[in-house]
Amino acid sequence: ELKVEQNPLFLSMQEGKNYTIYCNYSTTSDRLYWYRQDPGKSLESLFVLLSNGAVKQEGRLMASLDTKARLSTLHITAAVHDLSATYFCAVDEGYGGATNKLIFGTGTLLAVQP
Amino acid sequence: EAQVTQNPRYLITVTGKKLTVTCSQNMNHEYMSWYRQDPGLGLRQIYYSMNVEVTDKGDVPEGYKVSRKEKRNFPLILESPSPNQTSLYFCASSLWGLDENEQFFGPGTRLTVL
Repeated sequence: ELKVEQNPLFLSMQEGKNYTIYCNYSTTSDRLYWYRQDPGKSLESLFVLLSNGAVKQEGRLMASLDTKARLSTLHITAAVHDLSATYFCAVDEGYGGATNKLIFGTGTLLAVQP
Repeated sequence: EAQVTQNPRYLITVTGKKLTVTCSQNMNHEYMSWYRQDPGLGLRQIYYSMNVEVTDKGDVPEGYKVSRKEKRNFPLILESPSPNQTSLYFCASSLWGLDENEQFFGPGTRLTVL
């Protein structure tokens, strides 16, 4: 059974600092997604990572995938207050082909303090 | 505008009173899914559909029904709601059969069962 763990669950950081959110998963998969959720809002897709070694960057966020280690990271560079949100990783249960069945982590609540 | 819509957005009801939450997408997506979000548990899949008249159970299907009579619509039915179904519900849709099956989420329906 695929399990997805994120850490930390809560992250308070100062503006301008760097930090990393980790997403570990328990069984083989080669598709991982990162989503952002603002309070009371829906989920917004940030990154789709499809293969080992995949790296994607958008603004101050960079996501990577290591399928051998079953680990994805979401790195935040020089945080700004606008990045405050809950971040979820989600892993597709399939390997070698998508199943669309996503298992979500419990989320990381990021609070960027001025 | 490409989107997933849900109605109602907020609903307070009483135990045992049947209700339906509608979901519609205008992206011609084959795949649609329902999730519930509870604090500390992330998102968990309730039911999914790979195409018209094709539905299957997710991880937490008990107490729910779905139907997929048209490609664009995927209603969630609670025949006899109970308080443990109080939650935030999201509908999502995506293409099927491609590598990058990014799921797009609706705005959410907050359901309270008294």
